[in-house]
Amino acid sequence: KQEVTQIPAALSVPEGENLVLNCSFTDSAIYNLQWFRQDPGKGLTSLLLIQSSQREQTSGRLNASLDKSSGRSTLYIAASQPGDSATYLCAVGRNSGGSNYKLTFGKGTLLTVNP
Amino acid sequence: DAGVTQSPTHLIKTRGQQVTLRCSPKSGHDTVSWYQQALGQGPQFIFQYYEEEERQRGNFPDRFSGHQFPNYSSELNVNALLLGDSALYLCASSFNYEQYFGPGTRLTVT
Repeated sequence: KQEVTQIPAALSVPEGENLVLNCSFTDSAIYNLQWFRQDPGKGLTSLLLIQSSQREQTSGRLNASLDKSSGRSTLYIAASQPGDSATYLCAVGRNSGGSNYKLTFGKGTLLTVNP
Repeated sequence: DAGVTQSPTHLIKTRGQQVTLRCSPKSGHDTVSWYQQALGQGPQFIFQYYEEEERQRGNFPDRFSGHQFPNYSSELNVNALLLGDSALYLCASSFNYEQYFGPGTRLTVT
């Protein structure tokens, strides 16, 4: 059974700081990995998708890396801003054949960026 | 292009009642998945529909059932509601293994 762990559970940083969020998973047989952002009481916004054959993906100030063999991914946020405050969720995707695909999520990291 | 939409936004029900939640997928997406997110937790996979059939299911009781229509929209039904069913219910649609999530339906069971 796939288990996804995110560390830290919460993080508070001053504006402008660079930061790293960590995600680990127990089963390396993954299809891909997604990082999501969730604002309080809202749905999920996809930030980055990394295929299992890739090592990293970048979008603006965000960079996500994937080390499938060690079961780890990191999300790097450069020059953090108060608007980055949200919960960040890591999810690993598994394809169990045909169109059968599902995501297993971690519990998330609550990020607060202080002005 | 409208993204994934869900209705209603919020819902309050009493224990023992039944509820139906609705989801319209992103245009061109043929697969719909449902997730339950309890407060402070990550979303948990409930089930997935493709070609109007349930293709896989997570660890949820039979009280949770669903349906997919020919236009790919989907419903999630929960019978005999329990207090523990209070959660944010998220729908995700996909075409090629990247899932796009809707805003969710907040269900409160009293």
